[in-house]
Amino acid sequence: DVKVTQSSRYLVKRTGEKVFLECVQDMDHENMFWYRQDPGLGLRLIYFSYDVKMKEKGDIPEGYSVSREKKERFSLILESASTNQTSMYLCASSFPGVYEQYFGPGTRLTVT
Amino acid sequence: RKEVEQDPGPFNVPEGATVAFNCTYSNSASQSFFWYRQDCRKEPKLLMSVYSSGNEDGRFTAQLNRASQYISLLIRDSKLSDSATYLCVVNDNFNKFYFGSGTKLNVKP
Repeated sequence: DVKVTQSSRYLVKRTGEKVFLECVQDMDHENMFWYRQDPGLGLRLIYFSYDVKMKEKGDIPEGYSVSREKKERFSLILESASTNQTSMYLCASSFPGVYEQYFGPGTRLTVT
Repeated sequence: RKEVEQDPGPFNVPEGATVAFNCTYSNSASQSFFWYRQDCRKEPKLLMSVYSSGNEDGRFTAQLNRASQYISLLIRDSKLSDSATYLCVVNDNFNKFYFGSGTKLNVKP
């Protein structure tokens, strides 16, 4: 069974704090993704990575950065959290191309 | 214009009903299509892929119309357990997936 885990289910941070969200997958997937999900907007891609140390911007990368030092781990970093980054953050992984994405349980981040 | 558009619903149907959702996509070069299911406060999970010839999995049938750029999902004999949000997903063949905002289904006893 594919497993994608995320470091926290719920997180509350203050404006201006640096926030790290961690994602780990155990299926040796090359591709990993970070999305945020907001009501009425669906899932929007923040960044994705197709190999270790490789990354590409998604549709809404502003205010975020990522790190992929090992194949199984993909981190999302909010350099200086703002209230408009309050959201559900979902990590996913897949083999390259058109294969199914497997999602982690999500991290609900609240920035106050 | 959004890459993928869905009617948000909710669709409220009685048990045993047949219900259909449509989804339209904007990129005519899109290559792969999927329906995902998302339960309340849970992560999305793949329901089925959508092939050009159409495909069926038990009570679920998915169709693709490339000429009109839409995808459909038909659920027959609805069960209470089908209550969820259904996400339409389109892949552009460059490792990027575009998600619709989802259609909410409520199946009532």
